[in-house]
Amino acid sequence: NAGVTQTPKFQVLKTGQSMTLQCAQDMNHEYMSWYRQDPGMGLRLIHYSVGAGITDQGEVPNGYNVSRSTTEDFPLRLLSAAPSQTSVYFCASSLGLANSYEQYFGPGTRLTVT
Amino acid sequence: AQTVTQSQPEMSVQEAETVTLSCTYDTSESDYYLFWYKQPPSRQMILVIRQEAYKQQNATENRFSVNFQKAAKSFSLKISDSQLGDAAMYFCAYRADGLTFGKGTHLIIQP
Repeated sequence: NAGVTQTPKFQVLKTGQSMTLQCAQDMNHEYMSWYRQDPGMGLRLIHYSVGAGITDQGEVPNGYNVSRSTTEDFPLRLLSAAPSQTSVYFCASSLGLANSYEQYFGPGTRLTVT
Repeated sequence: AQTVTQSQPEMSVQEAETVTLSCTYDTSESDYYLFWYKQPPSRQMILVIRQEAYKQQNATENRFSVNFQKAAKSFSLKISDSQLGDAAMYFCAYRADGLTFGKGTHLIIQP
């Protein structure tokens, strides 16, 4: 099992560019989510999905789109990057939405927007 | 909305000693889970310990234990016999639709 994988590990974008951060898991987890981590802050929830075809917004969804066409993949799209989106992005997955389930985190993607 | 507060931005402890990291939270729910995560410089998020709110018994995992005070909405982490490998950022988190994190405590282990 590879667990939760994220690509790329690092990315630099110019303001206004678009890109997709990839996240995949091979544990057959129904629940997947995206967080961002800014200096001096904990992780904040961007979007989450409780299964293929179902997504919902978290605490900081503006500027990001998601879709869930398969159980394994949950990409995060930045349509028009802004310097405020400079952050480290983490993808996580768990068996389900139930609070008891442990969330497994990917290694993160460090994104810089200039 | 739930909030999680970690009031200690940084803590320092001598190797082999015990340290306690504080966490308070706010929620109107009666059944929930609380977690402590460790983030070393590699930035990987590692689950340290979890607590179910309806369980009165405090969770323990080897050298890590919690002091869960439901009425006070307090969830502190105690690390016994601190080791150099314990040096990291520690985040307290509450799970609802996703995880709500505190801002973290940077733990320094002095050799």
